[in-house]
Amino acid sequence: NAGVTQTPKFRILKIGQSMTLQCAQDMNHNYMYWYRQDPGMGLKLIYYSVGAGITDKGEVPNGYNVSRSTTEYFPLRLELAAPSQTSVYFCASSQTGGTGELFFGEGSRLTVL
Amino acid sequence: GQSLEQPSEVTAVEGAIVQINCTYQTSGFYGLSWYQQHDGGAPTFLSYNGLDGLEETGRFSSFLSRSDSYGYLLLQELQMKDSASYFCAVSFSGGYNKLIFGAGTRLAVHP
Repeated sequence: NAGVTQTPKFRILKIGQSMTLQCAQDMNHNYMYWYRQDPGMGLKLIYYSVGAGITDKGEVPNGYNVSRSTTEYFPLRLELAAPSQTSVYFCASSQTGGTGELFFGEGSRLTVL
Repeated sequence: GQSLEQPSEVTAVEGAIVQINCTYQTSGFYGLSWYQQHDGGAPTFLSYNGLDGLEETGRFSSFLSRSDSYGYLLLQELQMKDSASYFCAVSFSGGYNKLIFGAGTRLAVHP
């Protein structure tokens, strides 16, 4: 069981470039989330999804887009990368709501120069 | 809006007990979770309180008081491997485990 898998683990982007962070889970979880974590800070929710075809904004959605065409995959798209998007990005999943328990991937460290 | 307050740093010695407090302000509060994160690692779930009272899981316990908008994580018999950051997180109405995280408490355990 791989759990939540994120790729790439590290990436350097130039300002204005775009890229997609990939996230896959093999636990058949309905809910999936994208968080970002800046150094020494807590996690900020970017987007989340409660099922295939259903996504919604979190705390800091500007500059990002998501899609959820299947239960397994939840990619995060960065358009026109900016230095402010330098961060560690975590994808997470959850079987149901009301448990407070998220399963996190290992993270993708993104630097925008 | 939602906000959470927790101490930025706590220091303790091996074998001791430490309590990390968390106060929150949120509309439609649903529950309080705790996560552990080692440097360079992913957050891992420790505990969840949906109701008032104490939840115990091995050396870790978590407490919630809804009326005081307050909770804490209690770590007993501290070990060096407990050195990590600890985050409280609130979920609010609608479920979906949509968590808002605090800024984290860095725990340093010394011999």
